[in-house]
Amino acid sequence: DAKTTQPTSMDCAEGRAANLPCNHSTISGNEYVYWYRQIHSQGPQYIIHGLKNNETNEMASLIITEDRKSSTLILPHATLRDTAVYYCIVRANNYGQNFVFGPGTRLSVLP
Amino acid sequence: ETGVTQSPTHLIKTRGQQVTLRCSSQSGHNTVSWYQQALGQGPQFIFQYYREEENGRGNFPPRFSGLQFPNYSSELNVNALELDDSALYLCASSPGGLAGMETQYFGPGTRLLVL
Repeated sequence: DAKTTQPTSMDCAEGRAANLPCNHSTISGNEYVYWYRQIHSQGPQYIIHGLKNNETNEMASLIITEDRKSSTLILPHATLRDTAVYYCIVRANNYGQNFVFGPGTRLSVLP
Repeated sequence: ETGVTQSPTHLIKTRGQQVTLRCSSQSGHNTVSWYQQALGQGPQFIFQYYREEENGRGNFPPRFSGLQFPNYSSELNVNALELDDSALYLCASSPGGLAGMETQYFGPGTRLLVL
């Protein structure tokens, strides 16, 4: 079973920041938080991951709370092409670990 | 683009038949994982191969089998197809083998329909 809880769906206005929350209250000390997204009928796309520090790349920012029990993915200026299902996954970066996907959050960016 | 390619893109089979799906990993990646994604659900882990050896398996029956070749390309074989095997099959490659090198990059998938 997935170890994360996400809202089923969210809307965001085009050009505004999209803030996608994720709860992972049972996360272990060696588990990373990963975010992927899946645009309709395509393979999941890697967005970002982090352990405990906040992370930023060209796609998004990841904010992890100090207790690591929750995180937020931020798309700073959402576009219509960001409409997708966003998956938050926790996983240890150990040999042989796989990704356990939950149902994710369906983000709709509205014009 | 991740550099991970899969073939074919679409496939139609009938119940009881066998199917082979193929994946070419991103250059430099020696680990490949396969996932099954039923309509409306998240991907489910099937198995992972590292340097031609199975390195972990999800809750799938033995009729799901795989191979990884010396060039790190991979195959997923499914025998005795059932209607519930209809799904998008995803391949993901990663640098593998070392802690912290496990970000997986997915291919576009093969959509299998079993009639």
